[in-house]
Amino acid sequence: EDKVVQSPLSLVVHEGDTVTLNCSYEVTNFRSLLWYKQEKKAPTFLFMLTSSGIEKKSGRLSSILDKKELFSILNITATQTGDSAVYLCAVNPPLNKLIFGTGTLLAVQP
Amino acid sequence: ETGVTQSPTHLIKTRGQQVTLRCSSQSGHNTVSWYQQALGQGPQFIFQYYREEENGRGNFPPRFSGLQFPNYSSELNVNALELDDSALYLCASGHPGAEAFFGQGTRLTVV
Repeated sequence: EDKVVQSPLSLVVHEGDTVTLNCSYEVTNFRSLLWYKQEKKAPTFLFMLTSSGIEKKSGRLSSILDKKELFSILNITATQTGDSAVYLCAVNPPLNKLIFGTGTLLAVQP
Repeated sequence: ETGVTQSPTHLIKTRGQQVTLRCSSQSGHNTVSWYQQALGQGPQFIFQYYREEENGRGNFPPRFSGLQFPNYSSELNVNALELDDSALYLCASGHPGAEAFFGQGTRLTVV
């Protein structure tokens, strides 16, 4: 059965810290892995990764995929209180449905 | 703002009733998917529509049904509501194989 496991489940850091969020997956016919940020309701798209070893970067956020070991990490440097959210990892097998993990709840304290 | 809009934002229904949730896709997107997100969980795939045809379904009973219209807007219908149907219902639109963009969701409470 396809599944996505995220760790840690929750994390509390202080502003300025660097955090690493983990996502491991098992899926048949993998096509892509996606990261979303969910603050209140709508998950907002961060990254889509399809190739191993190629880092995607957007400002203080970056992500990389390892298709051999079946995992991805999301890094956030110099965290700010506005980074507080649930970070969701999802994989996209055929049929375009997204299989999500439970998410990592990140709290950034001033 | 993703351009995906959902209505209503909140809804309270009684067990056994029926409910219809609506989604307007981002312009140009021909694929719409529906997800159910229970508190503290990740979204669970309900089904997807592509050019008005159902194109995949998750592990949800037949009382969950949907439609996609020629303008690519969509409806999710749930019959015979149960207490466990209380959740955030998310609609996402996109193109096949590309990233999905989510609406703000409809918070459904069944009492």
